[in-house]
Amino acid sequence: SAVISQKPSRDICQRGTSLTIQCQVDSQVTMMFWYRQQPGQSLTLIATANQGSEATYESGFVIDKFPISRPNLTFSTLTVSNMSPEDSSIYLCSVGRAGSTRNEQFFGPGTRLTVL
Amino acid sequence: AQKITQTQPGMFVQEKEAVTLDCTYDTSDQSYGLFWYKQPSSGEMIFLIYQGSYDEQNATEGRYSLNFQKARKSANLVISASQLGDSAMYFCAMREDDKIIFGKGTRLHILP
Repeated sequence: SAVISQKPSRDICQRGTSLTIQCQVDSQVTMMFWYRQQPGQSLTLIATANQGSEATYESGFVIDKFPISRPNLTFSTLTVSNMSPEDSSIYLCSVGRAGSTRNEQFFGPGTRLTVL
Repeated sequence: AQKITQTQPGMFVQEKEAVTLDCTYDTSDQSYGLFWYKQPSSGEMIFLIYQGSYDEQNATEGRYSLNFQKARKSANLVISASQLGDSAMYFCAMREDDKIIFGKGTRLHILP
């Protein structure tokens, strides 16, 4: 499986500010995803990060709030904009391998965000 | 409608006993995949096991096995000889197109 790193691992931010989370993979992958896990909850898919084009957002998530970049096949960023305490969550990136019959996803270690 | 249902929010099991974590799913697709992930307190998501809808045999990975009952749309995770390090959240998940949908999870506590 791919080795996935995320930066920062955790952060405490003030209301109204923005934070950019980085996801780096040690090999080229076709599929990259961003998830949010609110406290005590399950994982919710925010968007699929597409290399060279705009991300595909799930219902309830918009580009203005969660802009995503994916400049190449090993790197992506998620920005949480104009943060409020409700944005306090763990944010995880995951990768999948196109052509895999299982389509399993492997996750990065996550970024724990606290918004005051 | 909820597509992955995990009815056990929490479980307490004595060390070395076997434990079964329940999962039912809902799909009209003929081809689908089912997964189990483990999330320790550190927050990382660890892939445990996969079952394809066309796989005739139940998947096994070391101490993990998946009890797949297709007609009942059930995919329970069985952990044999539980260990203290198995204490974590466990999520059942299903592949839908290229996405994975997660259940609400079961928090497993292994007692010494």
